[in-house]
Amino acid sequence: GESVGLHLPTLSVQEGDNSIINCAYSNSASDYFIWYKQESGKGPQFIIDIRSNMDKRQGQRVTVLLNKTVKHLSLQIAATQPGDSAVYFCAENRASGNTPLVFGKGTRLSVIA
Amino acid sequence: DAGVIQSPRHEVTEMGQEVTLRCKPISGHNSLFWYRQTMMRGLELLIYFNNNVPIDDSGMPEDRFSAKMPNASFSTLKIQPSEPRDSAVYFCASSPRDRHSYEQYFGPGTRLTVT
Repeated sequence: GESVGLHLPTLSVQEGDNSIINCAYSNSASDYFIWYKQESGKGPQFIIDIRSNMDKRQGQRVTVLLNKTVKHLSLQIAATQPGDSAVYFCAENRASGNTPLVFGKGTRLSVIA
Repeated sequence: DAGVIQSPRHEVTEMGQEVTLRCKPISGHNSLFWYRQTMMRGLELLIYFNNNVPIDDSGMPEDRFSAKMPNASFSTLKIQPSEPRDSAVYFCASSPRDRHSYEQYFGPGTRLTVT
C-alpha cells in the first residue's frame, strides 16, 4: 500500500512579515530548549537556545519565548526573508533523565516573495 | 572549523549489501549522535556516544544496525544486510559538553538509497 508521510504543519508568510512558529513540549522538568533550522538537503542548524530560568531571548532577527506554565515555546522571525524558508524544529533537554535532546516533528516555513 | 564531516554524501546500494556510513565529529566534542530522518518518521535518534562509549542504542531499529566509535575523531554506522526500508538520510551530530544535552552540531547527512 501507499506509505503515508509525516504531515508537517506549514506556515506561509509574506516576505517582510514577521513569522511565529510554535512548539509544545510535554516534560515540565525540561530545562533547556533549542530551535533548529533545516534547509532542503542540509542538516539541522542551530538558531537559538533558551534556558528554563528565562522567558525570552533575542538573537539577530529571531526571538524565542518560553512559557513554562503551558509548556509552550515559540520562535519569532522578524522581517522574514526567502532564505528563511526551511523546516524548523524545537528540541528540549529533559533534565529528569540522562538523555539527549528530544526533537519535535518540525514546522515548514514557506516565504512568499 | 570544518564542522561535522560525513561520508559518503550519497550512497546507492542493492538490498543485502553492507553499508558503512562515516562521521568525523568536531574536534573536542565529547558526545556523538547518529540520527535517521525519513518522511514517515521524521528525525529519529539511533544511538549516541559519550567519550567514545555507547550510552543508549535503544533507537537502533534492528540487529542489522551497528555503530562504533573507536576514537574521539571517528565513528561508523553499519547496516548489514541493508534493506529498502533503510532508505533515509542519516545524520551524525556532535556536542561539546559531557552532559550531551546541549547544542548539537549536525553534519550534512548521508542520503542512503537501498534498491
